[in-house]
Amino acid sequence: NAGVTQTPKFQVLKTGQSMTLQCAQDMNHEYMSWYRQDPGMGLRLIHYSVGAGITDQGEVPNGYNVSRSTTEDFPLRLLSAAPSQTSVYFCASSYGRGPYEQYFGPGTRLTVT
Amino acid sequence: DAKTTQPNSMESNEEEPVHLPCNHSTISGTDYIHWYRQLPSQGPEYVIHGLTSNVNNRMASLAIAEDRKSSTLILHRATLRDAAVYYCIPYNNNDMRFGAGTRLTVKP
Repeated sequence: NAGVTQTPKFQVLKTGQSMTLQCAQDMNHEYMSWYRQDPGMGLRLIHYSVGAGITDQGEVPNGYNVSRSTTEDFPLRLLSAAPSQTSVYFCASSYGRGPYEQYFGPGTRLTVT
Repeated sequence: DAKTTQPNSMESNEEEPVHLPCNHSTISGTDYIHWYRQLPSQGPEYVIHGLTSNVNNRMASLAIAEDRKSSTLILHRATLRDAAVYYCIPYNNNDMRFGAGTRLTVKP
């Protein structure tokens, strides 16, 4: 199993550009989530999904959209990038929402200039 | 959400045991205590979790206080590969909230 994969690994955007961060898992997990991590800080939850067709907001959802059309994929869209969105983005998946082990991807390092 | 307090940093010598403390005095009765760690330039990885009883796995042991207001992650023999930020996270059916964690340095 590949586990949780994320693409791209690195990305540089100009202010106002849009892009999609890809996340996929091959463990048939129902729960998937996106986090951002700013330098020297812990991870903060952006959006999550408890199954295909169901998404909800986390702690810091503004400026991001998500959708979940399949169990495997959970893309994160930045509609109009801002310098404040410069961060490392992690995708995670787990069996369900609750006290289950979460598996994290390797991250995408995004810089917005 | 339960608030947690962890030391900002700790140091250990290689091959020695390490005890990483966490206070979570506002934990709810149904919250499990999870520990994750994040190695440099990687995503977090699961270490261990428990509810009331002490727990052991191949990576570590988790000692939970009887009143559940604190817990301790125990690495029995620290290796250089254990140098990471360790996060203590109480949660159950809500969202996992990461604090700043404890940065563990392991000296050879």
